[in-house]
Amino acid sequence: DTGVSQNPRHKITKRGQNVTFRCDPISEHNRLYWYRQTLGQGPEFLTYFQNEAQLEKSRLLSDRFSAERPKGSFSTLEIQRTEQGDSAMYLCASGRLRESSYEQYFGPGTRLTVT
Amino acid sequence: QKEVEQDPGPLSVPEGAIVSLNCTYSNSAFQYFMWYRQYSRKGPELLMYTYSSGNKEDGRFTAQVDKSSKYISLFIRDSQPSDSATYLCAMSRRGSTLGRLYFGRGTQLTVWP
Repeated sequence: DTGVSQNPRHKITKRGQNVTFRCDPISEHNRLYWYRQTLGQGPEFLTYFQNEAQLEKSRLLSDRFSAERPKGSFSTLEIQRTEQGDSAMYLCASGRLRESSYEQYFGPGTRLTVT
Repeated sequence: QKEVEQDPGPLSVPEGAIVSLNCTYSNSAFQYFMWYRQYSRKGPELLMYTYSSGNKEDGRFTAQVDKSSKYISLFIRDSQPSDSATYLCAMSRRGSTLGRLYFGRGTQLTVWP
């Protein structure tokens, strides 16, 4: 399987705990994006990487959120001191250049529930 | 007002019907348009990717872009129960934020046998 993989698929945590998610993109794609999706809404952009460089962060990404992509391969998204409002599906997408923009392929997501 | 508007439905049609899904947008900087299909509790799956105005066909799916009206559509011919899913439109701009996608909220489609 050469698609995007995400782990864990589900995470239940108590408010105040830290959580970390992992994304493994399609190997030949150099862009990696993180989005968050809540029930009944479309995904919202959080941040993206070009290789190992983090090029943009949304204002949705508070200082409790941090993302890394060491060596331009897999990426991690960490949420510190989780709040109930962080409950959502966290989606990772792998991007390849097409016609001066990026075609994005999504992973299955990590569903976070904060109790 | 959101930059991308999409009627959430739900939309329910019989098998074999032609389905029309639509989005409008307000930002003329959007130049790239996509449609994704998302099954319940799964990640979005890319169906169509278009750049220019006009029609693009792929099997039973046709994507239509009208930049002058800021309106995009996805048509599904001979709809099947397996097409039952949420359909998300997405778009991106040219410029420094290349590739960041702006999504509609999705239209929930049910195709009944």
